[in-house]
Amino acid sequence: EVQLVESGGGLVQPGGSLRLSCAASGFNINNYWMSWVRQAPGKGLEWVAIIKQDGSEKKSVDSVKGRFTISRDNAKNSLYLQMDSLRVEDSAVYYCVRGSGWLQDLWGQGTLVTVSS
Amino acid sequence: DIVMTQSPDSLAVSLGERATINCKSSRSVFHNSYKQTFLGWYQQRPGQPPKLLIHGATSRASGVPDRFSGSGSGTDFTLTITSLQAEDVAVYYCHQYLDSPLTFGGGTKVEIK
Repeated sequence: EVQLVESGGGLVQPGGSLRLSCAASGFNINNYWMSWVRQAPGKGLEWVAIIKQDGSEKKSVDSVKGRFTISRDNAKNSLYLQMDSLRVEDSAVYYCVRGSGWLQDLWGQGTLVTVSS
Repeated sequence: DIVMTQSPDSLAVSLGERATINCKSSRSVFHNSYKQTFLGWYQQRPGQPPKLLIHGATSRASGVPDRFSGSGSGTDFTLTITSLQAEDVAVYYCHQYLDSPLTFGGGTKVEIK
């Protein structure tokens, strides 16, 4: 079955760090751009970051630049998001998303990140 | 940044009737090199992740029922659900994937009248 499974979410204090992981199955991520997209409780979708197939190109939304780092390990068929200096406004469900080009075509179930003291 | 503006914020439609959702981008999302429009539509049912419905403004994704259709070009787009079914209750988002940052519309909630 083709799927993406996120893990690593949880409760963290402001200023803290978390590392999200995404395990892909049923397909090889080395053929795809991969992204993280987040959704705050009761709110809309916000794209966070994207990484090229070989990791040579990365882009992110301005609000996370310098704090979040997207990476991938194609040998492990996995995607990651290192989140540092977390803020209350980073609280959201974080989705791992496969890209057909930059079209977000397959979404995981998401992992919840709560930033609170 | 390309700003995506959806309307209405919500709508209630009777079962079997038509639902129409609009999306406007702040500039064209047509890719001149690929000769394609980089506009997608997603459905998000309650408690579920988004699901791709439409790509390239008008092409249905695999397995999507033909009651869903996309239209439009340039900066103005429409998602139409003909003959609304109970399982179509969801929030619908438009999305441009032409330029970074990738952006989404604010969403349109579709309910049964």
